[in-house]
Amino acid sequence: GNSVTQMEGPVTLSEEAFLTINCTYTATGYPSLFWYVQYPGEGLQLLLKATKADDKGSNKGFEATYRKETTSFHLEKGSVQVSDSAVYFCALSVGGSARQLTFGSGTQLTVLP
Amino acid sequence: NAGVTQTPKFQVLKTGQSMTLQCAQDMNHNSMYWYRQDPGMGLRLIYYSASEGTTDKGEVPNGYNVSRLNKREFSLRLESAAPSQTSVYFCASSEAGRGGNEQFFGPGTRLTVL
Repeated sequence: GNSVTQMEGPVTLSEEAFLTINCTYTATGYPSLFWYVQYPGEGLQLLLKATKADDKGSNKGFEATYRKETTSFHLEKGSVQVSDSAVYFCALSVGGSARQLTFGSGTQLTVLP
Repeated sequence: NAGVTQTPKFQVLKTGQSMTLQCAQDMNHNSMYWYRQDPGMGLRLIYYSASEGTTDKGEVPNGYNVSRLNKREFSLRLESAAPSQTSVYFCASSEAGRGGNEQFFGPGTRLTVL
């Protein structure tokens, strides 16, 4: 089956620190990969995505590269801000007409001023 | 556009009571989904509807039923609520059949079963 393993949290950083959240996956087939973000009290929003090997998704200073050889999609940001405090979810989808998402368990990020 | 809307936002039930969670989207999407979110477990798919008129079980369907009322609306029903169904429920929608398609999520319904 499909599964996503995400770096355990919570993660606490100072403003302007470098962020890495690890994500690895197993999938039957060739997945598309996603990072979603959930701000307090809200639903999930797509942060970035990559649909094939070696693609780099990027948005709002966050980046992640689809690494097929290591089955990974790690999220990075060079300088975090207080406003980046949220829960981050790695997810994948494989084929099918409905493109169901399989999620990791989420990583809580807190950025301190 | 409102995107994906869900009602109610909060609900408290007693064990054995029933209720229906409502979801609607105005993006003309074909596919709709119901997830539950529990601490430390991410989101798990309950049911989905690939297109109007079809529904299928996801990872955790037991204790739930769904209805795809029309293209816009997809409801989730708890016939006899149990404490194990205490969770936050999210509805989502997407365009079907497109690689890397994004799912758009509603704001969630926080359900407590006593």
